[in-house]
Amino acid sequence: AQTVTQSQPEMSVQEAETVTLSCTYDTSESNYYLFWYKQPPSRQMILVIRQEAYKQQNATENRFSVNFQKAAKSFSLKISDSQLGDTAMYFCAFTADRGSTLGRLYFGRGTQLTVWP
Amino acid sequence: KAGVTQTPRYLIKTRGQQVTLSCSPISGHRSVSWYQQTPGQGLQFLFEYFSETQRNKGNFPGRFSGRQFSNSRSEMNVSTLELGDSALYLCASSLEGAEAWNEQFFGPGTRLTVL
Repeated sequence: AQTVTQSQPEMSVQEAETVTLSCTYDTSESNYYLFWYKQPPSRQMILVIRQEAYKQQNATENRFSVNFQKAAKSFSLKISDSQLGDTAMYFCAFTADRGSTLGRLYFGRGTQLTVWP
Repeated sequence: KAGVTQTPRYLIKTRGQQVTLSCSPISGHRSVSWYQQTPGQGLQFLFEYFSETQRNKGNFPGRFSGRQFSNSRSEMNVSTLELGDSALYLCASSLEGAEAWNEQFFGPGTRLTVL
């Protein structure tokens, strides 16, 4: 079975500061994909960043970067220079796109991030 | 390229009725997945269709069903609605292939309220 755990239900950060959101997962798959999605108040789910498990280099997208620790099954998201528009629910997600995960994302419960001025 | 569209955006039904939700994927995407989002249960996978075939199914009762048409558009149906079916229903499409990253692109959702 695949599980994704986000242990921080809520976090807050001041504008321009850096914040890190935690995610751990459990799987027996050897190759898989990890994602961070954000869901602002509009409820539109937007992909923030993605990582393929066999790639050791951590993914980076502008102000967003991940710390992928495969052995520890950890996938944290770092947001630098936080902006008010980063306020959203952030979901960590996993798929191996084979077997029981075919066409399916497993999501964590989410972390509500609030950026304040 | 147009994104994933879902209709209707909002829906109010009463217990015992049935409802059909529609999802149009991004052009060229043949995989469509459906999720139910509630405050209590979070995001739960309903089912996934690819080329008109259901390839995967979550742990939902048989009242929840879906289908996919030859143009990849998908519908999901919920019969005999219960109060607990009130949720945001999200549809996502993805492009199959080695470069696709298995990334799912989400629609804006349909907010279903059951009274």
